[in-house]
Amino acid sequence: AQSVTQLGSHVSVSEGALVLLRCNYSSSVPPYLFWYVQYPNQGLQLLLKYTSAATLVKGINGFEAEFKKSETSFHLTKPSAHMSDAAEYFCAVTSSGYSTLTFGKGTMLLVSP
Amino acid sequence: GAGVSQSPSNKVTEKGKDVELRCDPISGHTALYWYRQSLGQGLEFLIYFQGNSAPDKSGLPSDRFSAERTGGSVSTLTIQRTQQEDSAVYLCASSLGGADRVRYGYTFGSGTRLTVV
Repeated sequence: AQSVTQLGSHVSVSEGALVLLRCNYSSSVPPYLFWYVQYPNQGLQLLLKYTSAATLVKGINGFEAEFKKSETSFHLTKPSAHMSDAAEYFCAVTSSGYSTLTFGKGTMLLVSP
Repeated sequence: GAGVSQSPSNKVTEKGKDVELRCDPISGHTALYWYRQSLGQGLEFLIYFQGNSAPDKSGLPSDRFSAERTGGSVSTLTIQRTQQEDSAVYLCASSLGGADRVRYGYTFGSGTRLTVV
């Protein structure tokens, strides 16, 4: 079975501050991990993905995530938040034994000026 | 097409009516997925189609929900006798099959917002 836990349904940061969104996964086989962003009334846009190559993955809009097997984590970070980063972020997992993505419940990122 | 297209973008229906939601995947994508997004619940898997194989219906919440995919392309999700708890955003995604789904990723449509009144 697969599962994803995203700690914090809402995270608030000030513009220019570090963004850290947490994701922990559970998978009985090596996972593939994804971060998606959803802006209001839009679909999901892929930010980045881990596919068993480099453990530090860089994505779009300055985001990056590090796969830590020992901690079963794939936290998303950005050094300096921008107002345009305000959105909902979803972490998801799949593996070679599954075809579908299993999502966490999402974290709403709020950015204040 | 260039992206995954879903229609309608919004649908308001009366309780007890049937609704059909449409998904047009990216051309060449053999896999198609339906998810339901309810407030505070994240994305819930509903059904998955891969090529000509029998669909994985394990996520459908009740027998009021069904889906088909014609000609390996367009898919329709049907909800019969809608209930208020069916109100949600229904998202469709498509991908290449096998290992390529990870390499090239899953592409999501903008969703259909269903409101049952």
